[in-house]
Amino acid sequence: NAGVTQTPKFQVLKTGQSMTLQCAQDMNHNSMYWYRQDPGMGLRLIYYSASEGTTDKGEVPNGYNVSRLNKREFSLRLESAAPSQTSVYFCASSDYRHLREQYFGPGTRLTVT
Amino acid sequence: AQSVTQLGSHVSVSEGALVLLRCNYSSSVPPYLFWYVQYPNQGLQLLLKYTSAATLVKGINGFEAEFKKSETSFHLTKPSAHMSDAAEYFCAVSENQAGTALIFGKGTTLSVSS
Repeated sequence: NAGVTQTPKFQVLKTGQSMTLQCAQDMNHNSMYWYRQDPGMGLRLIYYSASEGTTDKGEVPNGYNVSRLNKREFSLRLESAAPSQTSVYFCASSDYRHLREQYFGPGTRLTVT
Repeated sequence: AQSVTQLGSHVSVSEGALVLLRCNYSSSVPPYLFWYVQYPNQGLQLLLKYTSAATLVKGINGFEAEFKKSETSFHLTKPSAHMSDAAEYFCAVSENQAGTALIFGKGTTLSVSS
């Protein structure tokens, strides 16, 4: 039981390049989330998917797109990376049966130069 | 709108001293409240959660938190700090709806000196 996995762990991009961050969970959770973490800012929600087939914007969605590929997988895409997107990205999942407790992946550290 | 305020971005204690990390929340409905811990270069791990069953909640590693509705607070405490407690701690709130994301505070870094 791996929990929540994220790939890659580290990535360096040049401004304007695109990439997709992958996230998968094996806990049969309904809901999945993408957060970014910046120093002194805590975690801010980018997008979330309450259930398979639905996605919604969070607090900071600009510059990102998401795809809920199936119940297990939720990807985050940067179409044209900018230095302001340098951050640590966390994927999480939860299930209402566990009272909204979220389980987090190990994170992806992204640097945009 | 919900919000979470963590008072003090840095807290320093000596080993063996009381740890107190403060969290105040605002929510229009009875909330779920959480404390997460993040060790350097790792993801977030749940310490404890309040789900309206009991106001004093015990978590892992000797931590506990008390929900005080009148003060809209959910402060985290540990009677005796250990060097291994040095980490960043996040308080978070969620409304009682399925699929609702967590709102996080900005975090408090705990330093423990010998």
